[in-house]
Amino acid sequence: ILNVEQSPQSLHVQEGDSTNFTCSFPSSNFYALHWYRWETAKSPEALFVMTLNGDEKKKGRISATLNTKEGYSYLYIKGSQPEDSATYLCARNTGNQFYFGTGTSLTVIP
Amino acid sequence: NAGVTQTPKFQVLKTGQSMTLQCAQDMNHEYMSWYRQDPGMGLRLIHYSVGAGITDQGEVPNGYNVSRSTTEDFPLRLLSAAPSQTSVYFCASSYSTGTVGGYTFGSGTRLTVV
Repeated sequence: ILNVEQSPQSLHVQEGDSTNFTCSFPSSNFYALHWYRWETAKSPEALFVMTLNGDEKKKGRISATLNTKEGYSYLYIKGSQPEDSATYLCARNTGNQFYFGTGTSLTVIP
Repeated sequence: NAGVTQTPKFQVLKTGQSMTLQCAQDMNHEYMSWYRQDPGMGLRLIHYSVGAGITDQGEVPNGYNVSRSTTEDFPLRLLSAAPSQTSVYFCASSYSTGTVGGYTFGSGTRLTVV
């Protein structure tokens, strides 16, 4: 993996469903992994900054895990709500530079 | 507390014109950066700064200049605009290299070069 890859590219779920998506990144030169939530017509907002292998972070119904040895992070949303509809970005921090994935676009259908 | 302020929000330039995109933050953040966002490409780093007087290139620096004379301001200059620079530009800042709290983004500048 040359840089940051996110999957799936887009996702439609029913309200109340739980969902998850993946961020894959090179495991070498790892410093931190960021998750952002980006609503249409707004700016990205930071969700989590994760630095240690095995890190788990949680904010309300959203949580994330980190595996730096194999180079992936999962973002989970429990009981999706229409207001969760957004693009979720991850970014790899190598110390001074950030490399963003292209995001997973989530649509929650009421 | 204004956060990160970007101006202008929209701009149309003719090929060959120059302009400066302004970015200011009032959070005493040391780290500031400029990104461009293009369809299917994600956010790509243009230039960044780890403190006043220090700047460095990101992934896509060609055609852009930056300076950081104060902690608060980090303007991005387009030297001679080209249609390939049509994009949405975001300025972002953080306390350090982003291990505390992540980035705070500005609201973006939509630039069209004709």
